[in-house]
Amino acid sequence: DIVMTQSQKFMSTSVGDRVSVTCKASQNVGTNVAWYQQKPGQSPKALIYSASYRYSGVPDRFTGSGSGTDFTLTISNVQSEDLAEYFCQQYNSYTFGGGTKLEIK
Amino acid sequence: EVQLQQSGPELVKPGASVKISCKASGYSFTGYYMHWVKQSHVKSLEWIGRINPYNGATSYNQNFKDKASLTVDKSSSTAYMELHSLTSEDSAVYYCAKGYEGGMDYWGQGTSVTVSS
Repeated sequence: DIVMTQSQKFMSTSVGDRVSVTCKASQNVGTNVAWYQQKPGQSPKALIYSASYRYSGVPDRFTGSGSGTDFTLTISNVQSEDLAEYFCQQYNSYTFGGGTKLEIK
Repeated sequence: EVQLQQSGPELVKPGASVKISCKASGYSFTGYYMHWVKQSHVKSLEWIGRINPYNGATSYNQNFKDKASLTVDKSSSTAYMELHSLTSEDSAVYYCAKGYEGGMDYWGQGTSVTVSS
């Protein structure tokens, strides 16, 4: 199985800051990576596909980057509503990272 | 507007089966895979499998191939997942999610399954 590792389980940031959430694949997955946002008590919401393409309606403050084994989701100008858990996923064989919880100070 | 409306919470006894539904609207049901995902505190998000609503072809995570069965009813744009021989490890929230560009662009609201005697 391809393991997706999000080493930072928790991150803390302030409104207006920029924050980067990282994800590492155990083997090369090309750009077959998606990112999801899950707010407390809600279903996951799709943010990014193909490592760097935003799904329809996603604000451009969310940016994805990376290829191969290392991937990053960057949130610019963080807003209070960005309080959520963020998951990466590879879709060569569909495994998810363990999640990173973002706290807004 | 794309919507995936899942059936309500289930309380089931160990060893029993349960069938969860996911009614799709707002898009061409047969044009996109339907995925199913398990979320538990133990293992976070796990992909269970996917079904092609056009022809019923399925693909399963090997860890769920004997646990889950995916089907669709094209006439009602509804996808189903049946879980068999339930144990406490199957207690979780289960999501259906519409496939798009490899990922999953819309998710249902989730169905909570609790396995308890």
